Amino acid sequence: NAGVTQTPKFRVLKTGQSMTLLCAQDMNHEYMYWYRQDPGMGLRLIHYSVGEGTTAKGEVPDGYNVSRLKKQNFLLGLESAAPSQTSVYFCASRNPRGTDTQYFGPGTRLTVL
Amino acid sequence: AQKVTQAQTEISVVEKEDVTLDCVYETRDTTYYLFWYKQPPSGELVFLIRRNSFDEQNEISGRYSWNFQKSTSSFNFTITASQVVDSAVYFCALYSGNTPLVFGKGTRLSVIA
Repeated sequence: NAGVTQTPKFRVLKTGQSMTLLCAQDMNHEYMYWYRQDPGMGLRLIHYSVGEGTTAKGEVPDGYNVSRLKKQNFLLGLESAAPSQTSVYFCASRNPRGTDTQYFGPGTRLTVL
Repeated sequence: AQKVTQAQTEISVVEKEDVTLDCVYETRDTTYYLFWYKQPPSGELVFLIRRNSFDEQNEISGRYSWNFQKSTSSFNFTITASQVVDSAVYFCALYSGNTPLVFGKGTRLSVIA
């Protein structure tokens, strides 16, 4: 039982390049989330999904796209990376009940030059 | 709209001192859930506790204790006899209305030996 995993752990991109971050969870959770964390800004929600095939925008969705083709995976894409997207990205998952805990992946540190 | 405020950006204490991290929340829902997460220097986000709005009992877990007061919309976290290993960023979060978790901006705690 690995919980929530993220691939890759680190990545350096040049401005304009594209990449996809992969999040996988093995807890059969319905809900999945992508956050970014920047110094002094806390955790900001980028996009989320309440089930396979569904996605929704969070607080800071611009410049990102997501897909949830399988229940256990949630992909975050950057089509044309910008230096402002340099951040640590966290994926999380949970089930819908309020009593359920939200679990986080270990994070991906992305640097855009 | 839901909101979580952690007014203390950074706190420094000397080892063995007690320290309280404040969390104030806003929601119009009568059913809601409050969480605390810890983010140590290694970067992962670790779940500490969950509380629902119908249970105002304070909770103690070892050196950690939580004081939930609906009258002041607060869910404060106290570490007794702090240790260097308690140094981390601590996040308070609110779940209500079946919307994504709302996080505070976090409080960075430094415990000095």
